[in-house]
Amino acid sequence: DIQMTQSPSSLSASVGDRVTITCQASQDISNQLNWYQQRPGKAPKLLIYDASNLETGVPSRFSGSGSGTDFTFIISSLQPEDTATYYCQHYDTVGLFTFGPGTKLDIK
Amino acid sequence: EVHLVQSEAEVKKPGESLKISCKGSGYTFPSTWIGWVRQMPGKGLEWMGIIYPGDSDTRYSPSFQGQVTISADKSMSTAYLQWSSLKASDTAVYYCARHKWGVRGVQSVDFWGQGTLVTVSS
Repeated sequence: DIQMTQSPSSLSASVGDRVTITCQASQDISNQLNWYQQRPGKAPKLLIYDASNLETGVPSRFSGSGSGTDFTFIISSLQPEDTATYYCQHYDTVGLFTFGPGTKLDIK
Repeated sequence: EVHLVQSEAEVKKPGESLKISCKGSGYTFPSTWIGWVRQMPGKGLEWMGIIYPGDSDTRYSPSFQGQVTISADKSMSTAYLQWSSLKASDTAVYYCARHKWGVRGVQSVDFWGQGTLVTVSS
């Protein structure tokens, strides 16, 4: 089974900061990697699919990159509404999915 | 507009059975994969499995295979998650999740239900 790890597990940043979250797969997953945002008490929301593609309607301050085993998620200028937990998610070619453990982001 | 409306919260005792539901609207339900995601209290997201309502093709995470049953009634545009004998450790919020198709097949979750809280306690 492919394992997904994320770092950091939590972080605190100020409005306007650039925030970086990383996700690592235990083996090569090409670009089969998505990123989700889950605000407190809400359902998750898809932000990035296939490692670097911005979902329709998602602000351009969110971006993703990477391929193989190492992936990066960036918020270029943190906004107050970005307080949330962020999850990476791997999908395979037979339709099985695995979430990373999540990164909790707070605003200072 | 796509909507996924889940059944209300449930409180059950260990050993009881349960079936929760998720009704889809605003899209072609039979030809879109739909699945379930668990979130235990204060914990992360766990993908459980998906079903293609058109032919009931079902895929389970190894962690949930044999523990739950995912089904769908395409005539009712409704997906279900079922337990035959609940445990206290099944206490969680369960989200239904519409999966979208990409170049390699099922790719990501693009719409989510509001979540159903299942509490199992004696």
